Amino acid sequence: SAVISQKPSRDICQRGTSLTIQCQVDSQVTMMFWYRQQPGQSLTLIATANQGSEATYESGFVIDKFPISRPNLTFSTLTVSNMSPEDSSIYLCTVGRTGGTEAFFGQGTRLTVV
Amino acid sequence: GENVEQHPSTLSVQEGDSAVIKCTYSDSASNYFPWYKQELGKRPQLIIDIRSNVGEKKDQRIAVTLNKTAKHFSLHITETQPEDSAVYFCAAITSGTYKYIFGTGTRLKVLA
Repeated sequence: SAVISQKPSRDICQRGTSLTIQCQVDSQVTMMFWYRQQPGQSLTLIATANQGSEATYESGFVIDKFPISRPNLTFSTLTVSNMSPEDSSIYLCTVGRTGGTEAFFGQGTRLTVV
Repeated sequence: GENVEQHPSTLSVQEGDSAVIKCTYSDSASNYFPWYKQELGKRPQLIIDIRSNVGEKKDQRIAVTLNKTAKHFSLHITETQPEDSAVYFCAAITSGTYKYIFGTGTRLKVLA
């Protein structure tokens, strides 16, 4: 298993500002992903965080809006930039190991943009 | 890319009855299919999974079946209990990318 510490757990932010979410894993993992879960909705993949290189973004998500860092195999950050109320959501850090196995989730960051 | 459809979106059953949730996927290269349970305000938790070389897997009251030819898999919960009430998500993982693509979710309500 993997223990994931994600912070902050929640925040209320002014529109136009940026928020950086941190994800720390207690062991080295190959795969790290960032998901968004809007209220009552499913989990939408934002991007795959690649260690030492640029993240791989899914359709509809761009680096300027959601810059991601992954300096090593246990840590990643997601920044939500120039926020608008439409960015209000839960953001989840998710990790997995190669070979296609169970994904482990952070506790999520509940973001409200006012 | 992979696309996962999940049905039904909501499901209400009487306590003790069975519940079945179905998912279909599009990418024949997908080889791992987990099911997650998410209670209100909590993170998703794995409840059962199945790999593409297996047709069925069971764990107490929970079972998953996989039909690779038809590209669909199902979650079966027997003898449902009120604590089974939650949102359930299926997912498909494609070998190579290892991206987890989730279904749209099923809100299960078990009525006492």
